[in-house]
Amino acid sequence: QITLKESGPTLVKPTQTLTLTCTVSGLSLNTSGVGVGWIRQPPGKALEWLALIYTNDNKRYSPSLKSRLTITKDTSKNQVVLTMTNMDPVDTATYYCAHTRWKPFDYWGQGTLVTVSS
Amino acid sequence: DIQMTQSPSSLSASVGDRVTIICRASQSISTYLSWYRQRPGKAPELLIYAASTLQSGVPSRFSGSGSGTDFTLTISSLQPADFATYYCQQSYRTLWTFGQGTKVEIK
Repeated sequence: QITLKESGPTLVKPTQTLTLTCTVSGLSLNTSGVGVGWIRQPPGKALEWLALIYTNDNKRYSPSLKSRLTITKDTSKNQVVLTMTNMDPVDTATYYCAHTRWKPFDYWGQGTLVTVSS
Repeated sequence: DIQMTQSPSSLSASVGDRVTIICRASQSISTYLSWYRQRPGKAPELLIYAASTLQSGVPSRFSGSGSGTDFTLTISSLQPADFATYYCQQSYRTLWTFGQGTKVEIK
């Protein structure tokens, strides 16, 4: 059974950098073809794909946020980390991580709500 | 970027109704199209991928069709658990995008 769990701060101040961690269980991030992505959802709004990293360290970013995002993985801990710089109140959202392997996001974390406020 | 447009944005239906949701891509995406259901307060669930392949464990009342730029999700007989928001998502090439969602409400 594959599970994912997001962790990180629930509140950040404007201009700060957000760091979120996705811990994956039931699957090694060394497994061929595995990817972990980040998706966010502002309250009452639609899903927005942010970034994706694969086993081979191939990385993809949303063009609109690329300058602010960095995605990395730590295979020894089976974790994927997303950092987003220069946070703004419009970045207030639930942030999800999700697994992909040969098909799009089939396993999702429960999500973590991040509020940006001074 | 490939833009995904869903219609309608919302609809009202009754238990047992047949429901169809449309998703249109701004350029051809072959069959790199998935559908998700998101119940209130929950993470999305994958229903359909590759435009028409039912994800394991998903009830057969869900079906998908289409290729190129035009896709549909059909729920043959709406159940109480299906009152939710549905999203399409393209995974063509390297940059993925979601549609804006279709909310299915109880009539």
